[in-house]
Amino acid sequence: AQSVSQHNHHVILSEAASLELGCNYSYGGTVNLFWYVQYPGQHLQLLLKYFSGDPLVKGIKGFEAEFIKSKFSFNLRKPSVQWSDTAEYFCAVLIYNTDKLIFGTGTRLQVFP
Amino acid sequence: DADVTQTPRNRITKTGKRIMLECSQTKGHDRMYWYRQDPGLGLQLIYYSFDVKDINKGEISDGYSVSRQAQAKFSLSLESAIPNQTALYFCAARPEETQYFGPGTRLLVL
Repeated sequence: AQSVSQHNHHVILSEAASLELGCNYSYGGTVNLFWYVQYPGQHLQLLLKYFSGDPLVKGIKGFEAEFIKSKFSFNLRKPSVQWSDTAEYFCAVLIYNTDKLIFGTGTRLQVFP
Repeated sequence: DADVTQTPRNRITKTGKRIMLECSQTKGHDRMYWYRQDPGLGLQLIYYSFDVKDINKGEISDGYSVSRQAQAKFSLSLESAIPNQTALYFCAARPEETQYFGPGTRLLVL
């Protein structure tokens, strides 16, 4: 069965540290890839998405993600985190031409000033 | 964005009660979805709908039912609520390939 793995369940960083959150999926066909962010007490917001083309995609608030097809990965990065980035981050994979959007279990990021 | 709204935002109910969660979207998108979110489990799909006459079960539809009253409205019902249905419920609408989420309904079943 298709699945999405986020290996980092809880990440704690100081402000200005660099961030990389892992996301791997298990499906051999074409996929669309997403990162959503959920700030405390709020709904999920789209951070960035990849459909095709340049595998390095840039999203809002300085985030970027790189799709590495050979590794089935779509890791999220930010060079310098801020306290306001404290949130839960979800990777999601849409199986191409279906309505099957599969979420990872999320990574909770805490950034301390 | 799909301008998705959900009501109520918070609800406390008792075991055995029937409860309905409402979802509306203003952009006329055909596809709408209901998810539940539990700590450490991410989001799980309950039901989804492609249009008013097309309703599909998701991963965890047992104990839930839905109604697509109009293109803009997609309601989720718990016919007889049980405590393990305590969760955060999200509705989403999908223009093209991206799903956009509503603000969520926090449900507590006592």
